Amino acid sequence: EVQLVESGGGLIQPGGSLRLSCAASGFTVSSNYMSWVRQAPGKGLEWVSVIYSGGSTYYADSVKGRFTISRDNSKNTLYLQMNSLRAEDTAVYYCARGRYSLDYWGQGTLVTVSS
Amino acid sequence: DIVMTQTPLSLSVTPGQPASISCKSSQSLLHSDGKTYLYWYLQKPGQSPQLLIYEVSSRFSGVPDRFSGSGSGTDFTLKISRVEAEDVGVYYCMQGIHLPGTFGQGTKVEIK
Repeated sequence: EVQLVESGGGLIQPGGSLRLSCAASGFTVSSNYMSWVRQAPGKGLEWVSVIYSGGSTYYADSVKGRFTISRDNSKNTLYLQMNSLRAEDTAVYYCARGRYSLDYWGQGTLVTVSS
Repeated sequence: DIVMTQTPLSLSVTPGQPASISCKSSQSLLHSDGKTYLYWYLQKPGQSPQLLIYEVSSRFSGVPDRFSGSGSGTDFTLKISRVEAEDVGVYYCMQGIHLPGTFGQGTKVEIK
């Protein structure tokens, strides 16, 4: 059974850093596109980043230069390193399998950026 | 970035009646490989989004056949032939032809 479990969210001050994790089971992360999508409170979905099976990475302009997507093949885990966090980064962050055809999603982890 | 525009933004439907959601993209979603990269997702209350339709009209595994997608180029439609109580939530279209992927604003479907 395919499962994605995010962790690492929490309350962080503006300018701070946080690393989100997404532990996968039932499939191999490194053989798939893997994405992060976020949802600000009461708002719609926003695509954040994707890592290709070959290792290429892409980011939304709103996070480029501040966020880094990566994976640990030995742990079958996806990560999102978030630096220089801003209030507007406050959202539930979902990891999902796929590039745009996001067929499995985690339950999400809430990141709140506030002083 | 490609802009995705959904209409209506909310819909109240009597159980058993049909429902239709429109999604228009600011650029054609037809790729040179012949595929059209348009997806539909449903986010039920309190849940993560789930994939309903990929590449305009293909239903994802387990999606009831009352859901259907159609369209081409820049105009797309999601139809529910007979709405059931479990279909409530927010429906999003998404384009995948150009990075960054972009979602529509969402259409909230409720039951009358």
